[in-house]
Order: sequence, then C-alpha cells, then structure tokens
Amino acid sequence: EVQLVESGGVVIQPGGSLRLSCAASGFTFHDYAMHWVRQAPGKGLEWVSLITWDGGSAYYVDSVKGRFTISRDNSKNSLYLQMNSLTTEDTAFYYCAKPRAIGARFDYFDSWGQGALVTVSS
Amino acid sequence: QPVLTQPPSASASLGASVTLTCTLSSGYSNYMVDWYQQRPGKGPRFVMRVGTGGIVGSKGDGIPDRFSVLGSGLNRYLTIKNIQEEDESDYHCGADHGSGSNAFYVFGPGTKVTVL
Repeated sequence: EVQLVESGGVVIQPGGSLRLSCAASGFTFHDYAMHWVRQAPGKGLEWVSLITWDGGSAYYVDSVKGRFTISRDNSKNSLYLQMNSLTTEDTAFYYCAKPRAIGARFDYFDSWGQGALVTVSS
Repeated sequence: QPVLTQPPSASASLGASVTLTCTLSSGYSNYMVDWYQQRPGKGPRFVMRVGTGGIVGSKGDGIPDRFSVLGSGLNRYLTIKNIQEEDESDYHCGADHGSGSNAFYVFGPGTKVTVL
C-alpha cells in the first residue's frame, strides 16, 4: 500500500523559513517524479512544485519561484520542500503527491498524503 | 495556459443524481481533465481522468460504479448517480499543461457537493 506522510508543518512568522518532509513507502520511490500541492484553508488546490525521479530537474509555480526549493533523497525515500521568505499567502495545507506513471513528470496524482499545515502569522 | 472553471456548489437529494462540470478555457478543447474527490478534513483522492471520448484509463481505487464521466467541447463532466452520504465532498478538476521548462499542473476552484 502506497503511503505518503508529510511532516514539518508549524506556525511561523512572516519572513521565516521552514522545511517540509514527505516520507514515502509502498512503491519504488526512485522510479517516480514527485510533487507538492497546497491548499489554503477553505480554498482550492494549487500545484506548487515537481521534481523528476532523479532530482535532476525541478519546476515551480510562479508564486514560489526563487523562494521554495524542492529536493529528494532516494536513499531515504523522502521528498522535501524548503520554504524561505514565507508570507501570509503561503499559509496552507501542503500535500505531497505521486503521479501514476513511472518516470512521467506529469500524470494524474494517484496517491496523496494527509497534508501538513503551514501557518504564516505574526 | 488553460484555466479550469467549476461552479462553487452543487447539491442533490439522497439517491438522486448530480452532474459536475469543469470547463476548460478557449483553445484547450483537446485537453484531458482529472477529477479528484476530497472529503472533509482529508487529502484528495483520484476519481478518474476524462477526455472528449470519455474516461481515459481506469477509475481510482475504490471509486464506485455510480461515478462516470463524459467530455464534450470544452466541458468535462463528472456524474454521480444514486448519490450517497459518503459522496458529500469537494470535487476538484485538474490538468497538466506545457512541456520542457514551462510545464505545470492547474486546478479548478472546486465544487462543494452537498447531499440533501
């Protein structure tokens, strides 16, 4: 059974930094690209970032470019999101998500974590 | 880039049917759309993918036969027949776009379904 478990969500002041983690199990992690998707409370989903299976390429939504960095450690079956210069607009549940197809950068997301809440507030 | 539009809410009486619509912006009529269900307090769950020819691939794990999709023009539909209390959820549509360094995934605003 595929499991994705996010951690690292906290309350943090504007301008602060935070790293989220996603622990993956139940599938061959290094075969898949991985994504972060966020959801502000009461709002819709927003795709945030993608990293290819080997960590060689990363993509970001415009609103986080230059502030967020996605990374992975295939030896630890783990995905990360380093978040810097946080603003109140970054307050959201952050989900890691796995695409269906091996090697594909984009495909529908067939597995999701339960989410980690990041609250940016003074 | 494509924009996905969804009505904010829909409702149906227990046992009735409801059809949700996800509308692609002009010029993207060939795009497939993915439907996700999100129950209160939970992460999203894949329902199925739809193109102009209907379902693409398989339904998500555990998605009942009561769920079906259709695609026409810029619209992608998700129909829930014989709606049950457990179907009360937010439903999101999404689509991937682009290639190379300009690739991303876009979601619609979501539709909240209430079972009366």
